[in-house]
Formats: sequence, C-alpha cells, structure tokens
Amino acid sequence: GAGVSQSPRYKVAKRGQDVALRCDPISGHVSLFWYQQALGQGPEFLTYFQNEAQLDKSGLPSDRFFAERPEGSVSTLKIQRTQQEDSAVYLCASRLRDHSFTDTQYFGPGTRLTVL
Amino acid sequence: AQSVTQLGSHVSVSEGALVLLRCNYSSSVPPYLFWYVQYPNQGLQLLLKYTSAATLVKGINGFEAEFKKSETSFHLTKPSAHMSDAAEYFCAVTFSGSARQLTFGSGTQLTVLP
Repeated sequence: GAGVSQSPRYKVAKRGQDVALRCDPISGHVSLFWYQQALGQGPEFLTYFQNEAQLDKSGLPSDRFFAERPEGSVSTLKIQRTQQEDSAVYLCASRLRDHSFTDTQYFGPGTRLTVL
Repeated sequence: AQSVTQLGSHVSVSEGALVLLRCNYSSSVPPYLFWYVQYPNQGLQLLLKYTSAATLVKGINGFEAEFKKSETSFHLTKPSAHMSDAAEYFCAVTFSGSARQLTFGSGTQLTVLP
C-alpha cells in the first residue's frame, strides 16, 4: 500500500510569496501531524488533526501559518508572506487511530522549502 | 515538560563494531519512547518503540534499545555496524498526557567507516 506522500518535494519561494504544501496521508488514518525540521535539527511539532478537526495548533510559529484538512484526508499547510526563517523541511505524518499514543506515526518524505 | 536529549551529534564507528546511540528523556509521567532513522532526502522511518511492555525492545535491521527508568535512558544499540546503517537517528518521546505529538531530540548522525 502507498505510504504518506507530500508535494512538492522541493519549493523555492521569494520572500513575501505565499506557498501551499500538500500531504496525502495513508488511507483511513484518522490522525495527521505537521512537523517543521530546520537544518541540523530534529522535527518540531506544528499542528495536529483528528479527521477534519484541527485539535492542536500550538506549534504554529506565527499567524502566517495555516493548515487545513477539510474532508479528513488530504491536508494543506499554507504559509503566507514567507520569510527566510521559514526555510526548512516540512514533514507530514499520519497515524491510524486517534487515542493511541503507541501507534506508529508514518512520515512522508517532506517538502524542502527554501525562501530567498 | 517532556524532552529528550541525544548525546553526541556525530558518532563514527568502524564496520562490524558496536553501535551505541544515547538518548535520555525527561518526563514527569511514564513515557512512550521511539527511535526513528532518516536517510538523506527521505522521511523518518520507525526503528522501534517502547510502550511499557518489555523494557528491552527489538526493532528492524538488528537494532534494539533498553528502557532504563532509573537512568531515564533509552539508548539504541546494534552489535555489528553495517555500511547501510549510515544515517541520522532521532529519539522521540510522547506520553499519555500530551497532545499526542512526538517530541524529538536533535539527532545523531552515524557514520560507518570501512
């Protein structure tokens, strides 16, 4: 079966541009996470969805970041007016169940965003 | 707040030698602990996880880790390194009181020398 896919794999944006990053989770997975991984660092949590409900967005660094999952499947992370500090790899992960902290989170390959 | 610390951002071993990657956690409640591996330009792949059953956990590719509550550690080991083990390794933690996300360490880059 297919794993988590993300597109585009690479994105170059000029400072001030808006970008949209897409995540296709594993079919049937209830939970979906977005993480940001800066160069040389571990991933950091951005936001979490249970189906279409965004239950936690405490990790979003500013109000320029917005995420949605309108039908409980595909998710989009949008960054408005990109800044150089937004340059990072954005990882999406999905998990089968919601109320299981031990279920495996399956990660996509990430989108590498470079803001010039 | 929960956190993990990975000692040694870079570790080099010779092919065939023991691999030991260190991870210490901080959590006021029982943690769930994970090791992930990341190959260049790829996503994170789960190696193994501790979920409060057995303290010695065996994972894929010959890796294992032992949960030691007294030492708040969850070190990753492999008896004999292979060239294909060269990658970045991340320790991560979550716990039942969290918002369900993983908190990652800063990673350890493993180099395997021929």
